Amino acid sequence: NAGVTQTPKFQVLKTGQSMTLQCAQDMNHNSMYWYRQDPGMGLRLIYYSASEGTTDKGEVPNGYNVSRLNKREFSLRLESAAPSQTSVYFCASSEGFFARTEAFFGQGTRLTVV
Amino acid sequence: TQLLEQSPQFLSIQEGENLTVYCNSSSVFSSLQWYRQEPGEGPVLLVTVVTGGEVKKLKRLTFQFGDARKDSSLHITAAQPGDTGLYLCAGASGANNLFFGTGTRLTVIP
Repeated sequence: NAGVTQTPKFQVLKTGQSMTLQCAQDMNHNSMYWYRQDPGMGLRLIYYSASEGTTDKGEVPNGYNVSRLNKREFSLRLESAAPSQTSVYFCASSEGFFARTEAFFGQGTRLTVV
Repeated sequence: TQLLEQSPQFLSIQEGENLTVYCNSSSVFSSLQWYRQEPGEGPVLLVTVVTGGEVKKLKRLTFQFGDARKDSSLHITAAQPGDTGLYLCAGASGANNLFFGTGTRLTVIP
């Protein structure tokens, strides 16, 4: 089973460029999440989607937009990349509420904004 | 932001030694999870503890949730090189958010 698949794995952007990070899960999970991981900061929630058709802001949503395209796919868009968005981005999914069910993470996208 | 602080930040020990990693917060959490993350991979769930004072064992790993549900510890007995990785605690607040700790990077030397 593929689990949670993220693309691309690596990306370098120039300041001001835009890009979309793709995430797909094949476990029929209802909830999907986008996190960023920075050294010394742990993982911080950017946006989440509790079910198909809904999205909500997390802890650090500024500069990002998301789309829950269908039950399988949840994309993260950077409209105008900034160096502060250099990070490793993780997509995750869970069957139900994150707090009570196991979350499965993708392998991450390492993004560098120069 | 509900800060979860982990200590130590880095830990390097010899194979066979015991160790304890701590996860502390001033906030109360409804549950707490521990993850392990290896380089180039996403975190993988090890355990979820829900009740204050709860202790769970996973082979050589023992997890404890504090009585007040503000802190947790992970104890590894007879560490092995395969235990090397980044250990993350994460506290649940509300239905759909996990607040992650800063992480403890463990290296077990053969």
